Amino acid sequence: DARVTQTPRHKVTEMGQEVTMRCQPILGHNTVFWYRQTMMQGLELLAYFRNRAPLDDSGMPKDRFSAEMPDATLATLKIQPSEPRDSAVYFCASGSSGDYQETQYFGPGTRLLVL
Amino acid sequence: QKEVEQNSGPLSVPEGAIASLNCTYSDRGSQSFFWYRQYSGKSPELIMSIYSNGDKEDGRFTAQLNKASQYVSLLIRDSQPSDSATYLCAGTANNRKLIWGLGTSLAVNP
Repeated sequence: DARVTQTPRHKVTEMGQEVTMRCQPILGHNTVFWYRQTMMQGLELLAYFRNRAPLDDSGMPKDRFSAEMPDATLATLKIQPSEPRDSAVYFCASGSSGDYQETQYFGPGTRLLVL
Repeated sequence: QKEVEQNSGPLSVPEGAIASLNCTYSDRGSQSFFWYRQYSGKSPELIMSIYSNGDKEDGRFTAQLNKASQYVSLLIRDSQPSDSATYLCAGTANNRKLIWGLGTSLAVNP
């Protein structure tokens, strides 16, 4: 049963601390998306990779957020320094660019609370 | 600003009824559309995708697309309490990113 995995599932941290979230896309998928979800804003795209290359990170606050794909099986999203307004659920999704409809499959999410 | 809009609800229907969820989009270049279901505290999961005008049926679910009028709908027949969730509509932008609506909350009452 192929699934996107994310760690950690929950994170509570204090303002100013670094937060690193990890994602393992479904084996064989070549696109990876990082989203942030809040009640007010819904799903916001933060970053988008295809074949490990960043295609779009326009939705990401550049001064504190960074996203990377060190290899095809790992994507990371870092926040440094974290702020209370970063509290949200962060989802990773993967897909295949060979699929015309490019369905995205979501991981379980990381629930982040910054105090 | 390309947008996908949905009525936030909540939409409340009795068990066994048809639930109708609607979505409009502003980008005429959008090619594909998706309906995702999200249970409280869980991640979105794909229910239906559609990219041609007309209807597409899958079990109790029917997606409808009208590109001329720029709307997408999802019909759920014989609604069950287990269908109670938030339904997210999304459409592709030119660069194949998805533009998401805020979702419609559906409550199916036994």
